[in-house]
Amino acid sequence: GNSVTQMEGPVTLSEEAFLTINCTYTATGYPSLFWYVQYPGEGLQLLLKATKADDKGSNKGFEATYRKETTSFHLEKGSVQVSDSAVYFCALGLNFGNEKLTFGTGTRLTIIP
Amino acid sequence: NAGVTQTPKFRILKIGQSMTLQCTQDMNHNYMYWYRQDPGMGLKLIYYSVGAGITDKGEVPNGYNVSRSTTEDFPLRLELAAPSQTSVYFCASSRSTGRSGGNTIYFGEGSWLTVV
Repeated sequence: GNSVTQMEGPVTLSEEAFLTINCTYTATGYPSLFWYVQYPGEGLQLLLKATKADDKGSNKGFEATYRKETTSFHLEKGSVQVSDSAVYFCALGLNFGNEKLTFGTGTRLTIIP
Repeated sequence: NAGVTQTPKFRILKIGQSMTLQCTQDMNHNYMYWYRQDPGMGLKLIYYSVGAGITDKGEVPNGYNVSRSTTEDFPLRLELAAPSQTSVYFCASSRSTGRSGGNTIYFGEGSWLTVV
């Protein structure tokens, strides 16, 4: 079956630190990979995505590269801000009209000034 | 822009009661979903729908029912509420074009349900 394993949190960093949140997956077929972000009291929002191997998704200074050889999609940001404090979810989805997502357990990130 | 709207935002139910979580989207999306999020866990798919009149079970459908009479609405019914259904529920929608592409799923703000 499909599954997503995410780096466990919580993660606390100082402002301007470098961020990596690890994500690995198992899947049948060729999934698309996503990072969703959930700010306090809100629903999930798509942060970035990649639909095939070696694709790099990027948004708001965050990046993640679809690595088929290591089945990974690690999230990175070079300099985090307090406003990046949120819960981050890695997810995979199978294509061809069926967009059911399989989510990781989420990583809570707190940035301190 | 309304997007995906779900109500109520908070609800406390007694064991054995029933209720309906409402969900509507104004983006003319064909796919709609209900997920639940338990503390410290990822989201689990309860039910989904690929269009009006068509629904299917997800990963954790027991204790729930859905219907999809219109493109816009996808209510989730809880029958005989149990403490195990205490969770945060998210409705979501997407437009699937039937081709590979990782279509974006849009989520509502969530409904916090407590069963006591």
